[in-house]
Amino acid sequence: GENVEQHPSTLSVQEGDSAVIKCTYSDSASNYFPWYKQELGKGPQLIIDIRSNVGEKKDQRIAVTLNKTAKHFSLHITETQPEDSAVYFCALENSGGSNYKLTFGKGTLLTVNP
Amino acid sequence: GAGVSQSPSNKVTEKGKDVELRCDPISGHTALYWYRQRLGQGLEFLIYFQGNSAPDKSGLPSDRFSAERTGESVSTLTIQRTQQEDSAVYLCASSLWGIAQPQHFGDGTRLSIL
Repeated sequence: GENVEQHPSTLSVQEGDSAVIKCTYSDSASNYFPWYKQELGKGPQLIIDIRSNVGEKKDQRIAVTLNKTAKHFSLHITETQPEDSAVYFCALENSGGSNYKLTFGKGTLLTVNP
Repeated sequence: GAGVSQSPSNKVTEKGKDVELRCDPISGHTALYWYRQRLGQGLEFLIYFQGNSAPDKSGLPSDRFSAERTGESVSTLTIQRTQQEDSAVYLCASSLWGIAQPQHFGDGTRLSIL
């Protein structure tokens, strides 16, 4: 099945710095790439997503870039704040079949130090 | 507005007992997914519903696991003869049907098998 590699597994930054998380995948049929933020004891919350016909998408301090040729996509958080501390998951959807299930990376624990 | 609701939020039971987990999706969402999240891990797909049919059950780990859905509403995930390795957070998500539709998650049921 599809595999998603997510790096780094942990990331510690100072408040105000930028954070970048990268995911690589193998199936070229993947065409939808969401990112989720999960706080302790909560379900994953969708923060941004990108579709395969777009190379970059931005929403305030969060941006996602997609390189379909190289099969990787990245989450960029600028001007980090302590409330950005959480586990972030990348995911992808392979819509080649009739199932729109998501395959997730193993997550990145982001800590923003005040 | 109402999001995805899951109950119970926590469940502790003895090995060998059956458990039933409930998910109320967002109104109007025809697609419903169950995922499992082991401690410190990413999410693994269990089953997908389109309406009340389940085109993809490929993620169910054994025949002790089953799920059903009533129309485009409530879904229940049943685990029979629970084992300690079933301990995890069980997450439900719903989405509008179709390609590249965002999946919205509930806060999950934390299941602990003693």
